[in-house]
Amino acid sequence: DQQVKQNSPSLSVQEGRISILNCDYTNSMFDYFLWYKKYPAEGPTFLISISSIKDKNEDGRFTVFLNKSAKHLSLHIVPSQPGDSAVYFCAASARNTNAGKSTFGDGTTLTVKP
Amino acid sequence: DAGVTQSPTHLIKTRGQHVTLRCSPISGHKSVSWYQQVLGQGPQFIFQYYEKEERGRGNFPDRFSARQFPNYSSELNVNALLLGDSALYLCASSLGQYNEQFFGPGTRLTVL
Repeated sequence: DQQVKQNSPSLSVQEGRISILNCDYTNSMFDYFLWYKKYPAEGPTFLISISSIKDKNEDGRFTVFLNKSAKHLSLHIVPSQPGDSAVYFCAASARNTNAGKSTFGDGTTLTVKP
Repeated sequence: DAGVTQSPTHLIKTRGQHVTLRCSPISGHKSVSWYQQVLGQGPQFIFQYYEKEERGRGNFPDRFSARQFPNYSSELNVNALLLGDSALYLCASSLGQYNEQFFGPGTRLTVL
């Protein structure tokens, strides 16, 4: 039973356009959500997070939206750059019960074409 | 500043052997977590240690164990290796138990 799902294994966008990566979760105990970016031969790099008390968080070109009723979150990258090409992981945790455990999706490979 | 470091980078073992993986957290970080990443999947949580105590454990068999030392570095031990243990093992450190985690580059374990 996969509690965090990223249903699109891959996404290709043109440089300068918007990239939208989606993530769904099933565990209603999750109250903290994170996005990581991973390049080959490197560990995941933290990008942005959002607490369940918010519905939006921005950091530069990256914005995460959370829809708790739909148990859905998305990462928007605007504008997309070729250097953004990587695997993006969505992760969730239940900070009040097991804060150190993040449950990850299987990732979406983003390719930004020049 | 040095990030999270892991050793060794790569490792090849045979079935039934034992392996020890090592992790040094970012200076000042007191929490270390271990994850297993199988090809094509996201990282799977194995353990979290904070202030040298186990604070969380994932759905892994007792063949997997870990510990954290007084300097906050950590070891992950896997006994009686199986072919299915072949994976990238990631270590992540954080300031405290509830903070964002910073990952190391991982140790690639191959079991033959």
